[in-house]
Amino acid sequence: GAGVSQSPSNKVTEKGKDVELRCDPISGHTALYWYRQSLGQGLEFLIYFQGNSAPDKSGLPSDRFSAERTGGSVSTLTIQRTQQEDSAVYLCASSYDRREAFFGQGTRLTVV
Amino acid sequence: AQKVTQAQTEISVVEKEDVTLDCVYETRDTTYYLFWYKQPPSGELVFLIRRNSFDEQNEISGRYSWNFQKSTSSFNFTITASQVVDSAVYFCALSVSGGFKTIFGAGTRLFVKA
Repeated sequence: GAGVSQSPSNKVTEKGKDVELRCDPISGHTALYWYRQSLGQGLEFLIYFQGNSAPDKSGLPSDRFSAERTGGSVSTLTIQRTQQEDSAVYLCASSYDRREAFFGQGTRLTVV
Repeated sequence: AQKVTQAQTEISVVEKEDVTLDCVYETRDTTYYLFWYKQPPSGELVFLIRRNSFDEQNEISGRYSWNFQKSTSSFNFTITASQVVDSAVYFCALSVSGGFKTIFGAGTRLFVKA
């Protein structure tokens, strides 16, 4: 596609359930990023993938969060045993090398 | 460690006023990249500019201009003759050359009133 695609756009889940968020980056982009944006807040770095290098997971807030990137393209962010404080917009972005990042529309996660 | 500070949480101006959004960054790296992004009410972040640490030339793009000063670790953004469509949250960001991790400031919410 022309841009970064994220699905679902909205997700409501019950506390304690697992969720998977998907990101389709722009074709050919080598770097893929996940950020979290809580209501009215800035962007909190979660993880990035660059080519075949080991991902930088330094921003993941707990071991309930994990992410993978298959075949250097699609990425999935998984949150296990969701908590109410996980409610936020999860943004995915991709870039070619160190150029500007292109962001998706985000997935709005609500944990009830 | 890297850090980006946008001290202005919210700014409100009247249309046609000039407005400057401040950004101060911290890094020990000598090679780094600075960015500005705009997040309109629709929510999708839009890239505005990228600057590397070796290029201190100021840049102008239409009504937008950027002032990069390494001496004060600042990368400020000025909108001239603001318009209602400029209303958005603006984020400054920093990426160091050793990795791809890009750190964002907390953002400045700009309100432009007609």
